Amino acid sequence: SQQGEEDPQALSIQEGENATMNCSYKTSINNLQWYRQNSGRGLVHLILIRSNEREKHSGRLRVTLDTSKKSSSLLITASRAADTASYFCQGGSEKLVFGKGTKLTVNP
Amino acid sequence: EPEVTQTPSHQVTQMGQEVILRCVPISNHLYFYWYRQILGQKVEFLVSFYNNEISEKSEIFDDQFSVERPDGSNFTLKIRSTKLEDSAMYFCASSETGTLSSYNSPLHFGNGTRLTVT
Repeated sequence: SQQGEEDPQALSIQEGENATMNCSYKTSINNLQWYRQNSGRGLVHLILIRSNEREKHSGRLRVTLDTSKKSSSLLITASRAADTASYFCQGGSEKLVFGKGTKLTVNP
Repeated sequence: EPEVTQTPSHQVTQMGQEVILRCVPISNHLYFYWYRQILGQKVEFLVSFYNNEISEKSEIFDDQFSVERPDGSNFTLKIRSTKLEDSAMYFCASSETGTLSSYNSPLHFGNGTRLTVT
């Protein structure tokens, strides 16, 4: 499977700081997507980066993709308490398998 | 913005009973999925569905599970004889394009059905 594995498993920061989460995957992908999950809720799609892109921005989100290293990073700038959630990456595959995620806590 | 809706939000059932979890995907989406998440654990893929048939399924999706699109709007997951370990959040998702497409679109998730098997 093309499971994404997020790192770190947990991250705790203060409001206003930047949060960086990493993702590694095992096989070739067409694109990579990041999702967030608030506790007990469904996953919400954040951003998609295609395999021929190296960086993408969306508001306070910045995603990078390094296909040679099979890795991606998600940067959330100027974090807010409302960003507290679990974040998952997913490389395009038939099964759309998710990893364990990074649990981000933003302290006010 | 259109959304995926799931009913019920919480279902309690006794071990051995059959349950049907219901989902209404976004109307112009063609690909449908079920996932589950046991409390505190990761989101696990169960099955994907396209053109009225299963396109992929995981090891979890054994003979006790089945999916159906009974009409043009609903997508259901049936568990024939529930076990205690089936207790979990079950999420339905849909997408416009397939996951193998070079331009595959994101998954849109419902808010889940919490299944409690006693």
